[in-house]
Parts: sequence; structure tokens; C-alpha cells
Amino acid sequence: KNQVEQSPQSLIILEGKNCTLQCNYTVSPFSNLRWYKQDTGRGPVSLTIMTFSENTKSNGRYTATLDADTKQSSLHITASQLSDSASYICVVSAWGISGNTPLVFGKGTRLSVIA
Amino acid sequence: ETGVTQTPRHLVMGMTNKKSLKCEQHLGHNAMYWYKQSAKKPLELMFVYNFKEQTENNSVPSRFSPECPNSSHLFLHLHTLQPEDSALYLCASSQTGGKATNEKLFFGSGTQLSVL
Repeated sequence: KNQVEQSPQSLIILEGKNCTLQCNYTVSPFSNLRWYKQDTGRGPVSLTIMTFSENTKSNGRYTATLDADTKQSSLHITASQLSDSASYICVVSAWGISGNTPLVFGKGTRLSVIA
Repeated sequence: ETGVTQTPRHLVMGMTNKKSLKCEQHLGHNAMYWYKQSAKKPLELMFVYNFKEQTENNSVPSRFSPECPNSSHLFLHLHTLQPEDSALYLCASSQTGGKATNEKLFFGSGTQLSVL
């Protein structure tokens, strides 16, 4: 069964500190992996998209890594800011029979950055 | 802003009411989606429309009825809902409906629905 597991469920860090969020998946055949940021009361916004051949991608202070062999990804946030407080959702795309790519969503990690 | 606008932002309705959620995208995309987001659960895909044609109905109960009059507008008509239908309903759009490998999904801010 295609699944995406994220850890931890929630995390509290001090402003200015770094943190790493984890994502493990069993989706097959793998197409790509995405990280989304979802602020409270808003829809998810794309941070990064990585295909099989990419093992790292950055977007400002966000750096995502992908190990397609172990089916793991991480999202590293550097020098956290209060505005980083949000849910971070890992989403894995699989190749569909018709060529579509059904998305498999994780439950997300709730990050709180405090002053 | 993501270019996808949803109204209303909040909705409270009784189980016998009929209401509609509206979504509009200004991105020139050809595919639109409805997702349901319940507390502590992953996003659940409900419906997909490609070029105004419904291409996916993810076993959604008939009390949810989608309508896509054109590629820019998507509605979700609600009637005789249950309390367990309370959730955040998210609309999204994409260029080709997932046919491109790295195609991004753009979400609206959602409608927070409470069924009493």
C-alpha cells in the first residue's frame, strides 16, 4: 500500500535554531517527492519538488534531501524564523496506469518556532 | 496569493441545509481538484476535473456534488451533510492534471466547513 509517514508529529524550536523534518515513503513506482508548507488557515504552498535523480534541492533557508534507495527524505530549515511556524507536508507522486501521477500525502509535521 | 481563490472562507451549516463552495483560478490551468483535509489526517482527494471533464471521483458520497462549468471555475454543492463532514475543503489547480512529472499543484486557502 502506498504510504507516506512523517516524523515527528510536532516540534517546538527556538527562533534562530535549525531543525530537520523526516519523511519515509513506500510509494511505488516513484515519480517525485514534494514538500509543502501550510500556514494555519491557508492552503499548502509548494517548497520543493525532487525527482528520482535529484538528491538535494534548496529554496532559501529550506533544503530538502532525497534518498531514493532507502525511500527517505528530509527537510532542513536553517536559522528558523517565527514565520516558519506551520505544518510541513511531504507528498510523494507515483506513476499511474494512465500516466497521471496520484499524490500520496503525509499527515504533516506541525512546527512551532518560539521567541 | 496562489492564484486560486475560494469562497466562502468559513461556513456553518445544518444537516438539512444546501450550500455551495466556489473556487476560481486565475492561472490558466486546465485541471482543478477538490481535496478534504480533516484534523490529523492526510489530505484526501475527492474529485479531479481536466478540461471541464471529471476524470476522478474518489468514492465520494453523493451528498457532495461537484460542478465545473469551465476550466477556471469549480463548485462543490453540499446537501444533507453529516457532522463527520466537518473539515477544511481545499481547491487546487494544475497545468495538465498531473501528466507532467514535476507539475506543481496550486492550492486555495480553503473553506472551513462545520456541520451542526
